[in-house]
Amino acid sequence: EIVLTQSPGTLSLSPGERATLSCRASQSVSSSYLAWYQQKPGQAPRLLIYGASSRATGIPDRFSGSGSGTDFTLTISRLEPEDFAVYYCQQYGSSPPITFGPGTKVDIK
Amino acid sequence: QVQLQESGPGLVKPSQTLSLTCTVSGGSISSGSYYWSWIRQPAGKGLEWIGRIYTSGSTNYNPSLKSRVTISVDTSKNQFSLKLSSVTAADTAVYYCAREKVGANPVDYWGQGTLVTVSS
Repeated sequence: EIVLTQSPGTLSLSPGERATLSCRASQSVSSSYLAWYQQKPGQAPRLLIYGASSRATGIPDRFSGSGSGTDFTLTISRLEPEDFAVYYCQQYGSSPPITFGPGTKVDIK
Repeated sequence: QVQLQESGPGLVKPSQTLSLTCTVSGGSISSGSYYWSWIRQPAGKGLEWIGRIYTSGSTNYNPSLKSRVTISVDTSKNQFSLKLSSVTAADTAVYYCAREKVGANPVDYWGQGTLVTVSS
């Protein structure tokens, strides 16, 4: 099973600032099968990024993903008020189980 | 636009079996292009993938829950279901049903989630 760790646990930033979130895997994630989700209180997660760097349908271009192997990054170039949320990474390679990271909370400074 | 909706008891007694159903609308569960999945989230904690089923009935389960989980599909009702046996308080969580496209793809659609509390 691939274990994902995310850092930092909480990121306190102001609107307009840049957010950089990290996701590290315990072993290489095949073919960059790494996704990022955003979750707001009381809501289901929403897919932001898949394949490490491809934006899902309707996701603004201020969200970008990068990385390969065991190290991945989600960058939000300029935080909008609606971006304050919890972000999870997920690996979904061909062999189950699918696993999620513990999440990074982006809150308002 | 596909929609998924969970239903089932919100309260289950310890040692009993948790049973949930997910109704899919806006698309056929028999399309053959998707896995139909269950994921849970304890309050204030992260996401745990429980397992998934393909239209054929083929399943994959999280090894940590495999001995207690059964996922089934009813194509005539466009539904799939989760059963989790011998529940304890640790199984208290919001349970989501979800869809994954076949062939190593992320979850693209989620239900709204339903809270199941295990308590006597």
